[in-house]
Amino acid sequence: AQSVTQPDIHITVSEGASLELRCNYSYGATPYLFWYVQSPGQGLQLLLKYFSGDTLVQGIKGFEAEFKRSQSSFNLRKPSVHWSDAAEYFCAVGAGFSGGYNKLIFGAGTRLAVHP
Amino acid sequence: DAGVTQSPTHLIKTRGQQVTLRCSPKSGHDTVSWYQQALGQGPQFIFQYYEEEERQRGNFPDRFSGHQFPNYSSELNVNALLLGDSALYLCASTEERGRETGELFFGEGSRLTVL
Repeated sequence: AQSVTQPDIHITVSEGASLELRCNYSYGATPYLFWYVQSPGQGLQLLLKYFSGDTLVQGIKGFEAEFKRSQSSFNLRKPSVHWSDAAEYFCAVGAGFSGGYNKLIFGAGTRLAVHP
Repeated sequence: DAGVTQSPTHLIKTRGQQVTLRCSPKSGHDTVSWYQQALGQGPQFIFQYYEEEERQRGNFPDRFSGHQFPNYSSELNVNALLLGDSALYLCASTEERGRETGELFFGEGSRLTVL
């Protein structure tokens, strides 16, 4: 069955420090992978996506992610975190189902806190 | 260009009541999906509507039903509310390419509290 695991429930970093949020997926075919961010009380905003090609993808707000097929991972990184990056981050995989329509399967999320 | 809009933003109901949530997709999008996000969890897929038909459904009981209108807007209805239905309900829209990949654009959600 398709699934997404985000091993870290809560991460705290200092402003200006680097960040890596982990994501592992389970999916039989070539996955479509996404990272979304959710600020408190808000909906989900797409940070970046991987469909095919270059395994290092760039997103908005200075984020990037690397797809590693051998490790079934799609970790999110940022070289220097800003206080405004404090939010909840969700990794998701686009899972195909009958009729050719995809749905998103989300991980449980990682809550990021940023210390000044 | 308006994104995905949802209404109401917050509502409180009591057990056994019924609720209707509404969603207007992003301009140019014809496919609407609904997700339930319980507190502290990731969103869970409820169902997806395209061409006014429910195309796929997640693991939710029949108390959850929906509808898509000719203008692509959508409603989510939940009958016989339970305390466990308290959650943020997210509407997301997409178009053909997104139906292939799963890429979705989300609204800000309707927060339902069941007392």
